[in-house]
Amino acid sequence: TQTVSQSDAHVTVFEGDSVELRCNYSYGGSIYLSWYIQHHGRGLQFLLKYYSGNPVVQGVNGFEAEFSKSDSSFHLRKASVHWSDSAVYFCAGYQGGRALIFGTGTTVSVSP
Amino acid sequence: EAAVTQSPRSKVAVTGGKVTLSCHQTNNHDYMYWYRQDTGHGLRLIHYSYVADSTEKGDIPDGYKASRPSQENFSLILELASLSQTAVYFCASSDVRGEQYFGPGTRLTVL
Repeated sequence: TQTVSQSDAHVTVFEGDSVELRCNYSYGGSIYLSWYIQHHGRGLQFLLKYYSGNPVVQGVNGFEAEFSKSDSSFHLRKASVHWSDSAVYFCAGYQGGRALIFGTGTTVSVSP
Repeated sequence: EAAVTQSPRSKVAVTGGKVTLSCHQTNNHDYMYWYRQDTGHGLRLIHYSYVADSTEKGDIPDGYKASRPSQENFSLILELASLSQTAVYFCASSDVRGEQYFGPGTRLTVL
């Protein structure tokens, strides 16, 4: 079973800035890592995933993430944030039965 | 149209009472899940199912039962609700590719 950890509980950025959200994982068999976004009062929405191949994966709305086996990381990035990117971001790993194990989340606040 | 719906969207229950949370999906997915979310925590898996009429325990199943009467429906049952079960509950579905599609959540308050 994998574990995932997100070291930053809260990140504040200005609109137009870049942002990187950190996720580290422990290997537990098959590699399957993903990111989800949760806007206030809503359910989670899938952003992107990695399970093999190109370590840089592209997601929706300009998000990308890079898998690193050496660093045990799967960090999420966006080059230029918009106010609508304010949300909680969850990194998730695979724990069998197609179920996911989630990190504790990083709240991103985008200031104008 | 929403592919995963949950009902009710919010509920206030009394300690010791029975609570049933319902989830319906139109994604034609085999896998369905129930998670709970507490303030300051990520989501924790309660029960899941990969086929109708069968459920599996997740990480925190104590105090919860699940029922999957059909591919589309997945219920979470609290037979004796307790204060500690106050949380937001999310249902999700997925196919073999693993991307999960979440419902809007049910806010449960146990008094």
